[in-house]
Amino acid sequence: EVQLVESGGGLVQPGGSLRLSCAASGFTFSTYWMSWVRQAPGKGLEWVANIKQDGSEKKYVDSVKGRFTISRDNAKNSLFLQMNSLRADDTAVYYCAKVDHLWTGQNWFNPWGQGTLVTVSS
Amino acid sequence: DIQMTQSPSSLSASVGDRVTITCRAGHYISNYLNWYQQQPGRAPKLLIYAASSLQSGVPSRFSGSGSGTDFTLTISGLQPEDFATYYCQQSYIPPLTFGGGTKVEIK
Repeated sequence: EVQLVESGGGLVQPGGSLRLSCAASGFTFSTYWMSWVRQAPGKGLEWVANIKQDGSEKKYVDSVKGRFTISRDNAKNSLFLQMNSLRADDTAVYYCAKVDHLWTGQNWFNPWGQGTLVTVSS
Repeated sequence: DIQMTQSPSSLSASVGDRVTITCRAGHYISNYLNWYQQQPGRAPKLLIYAASSLQSGVPSRFSGSGSGTDFTLTISGLQPEDFATYYCQQSYIPPLTFGGGTKVEIK
């Protein structure tokens, strides 16, 4: 069974840093793109970042560029999100997700982890 | 960025009803459109990928259609466990974007 388990969330002051982790199991982690998606309290879903299988390609939503860094350790089946210069509007549940795709290019998030809550507040 | 517009933002329906949710993309996205269901306090779950392909294990009462800019999610025969929020998402061009969600409530 494919499983994704996030950790590392918590309360942090504005301007602070936090590192999220996602432990993957049940599939060959090194052969899939992976993503982070977030959801602010009571709001919709927002894609945050993607990373290619070997880590050579990374993409970010504009609002986190220069502040967040996505990375992975294929030997440890783990995905990470380093979040610096955190702001109140970064407060959200952060989900990691495996990216499935067709050979024709269509791709989607499946499955999702249970999420970890990040609260940015003084 | 490609804006995704869902309608309605909420609806009330009864068990057994046929429910239709629409999603419009602000740019041509072929069939690079996915649908997710999110129940309160839970992570989103994939229902439909590539506009019309049913994810394994998802009941056949869920179906998706559309291409280009206009898409539809249909639930044929609403069940109690279907009361949730539904999101569309485009994967045509980064940044990957979601619709604002449609909350399906019990009438």
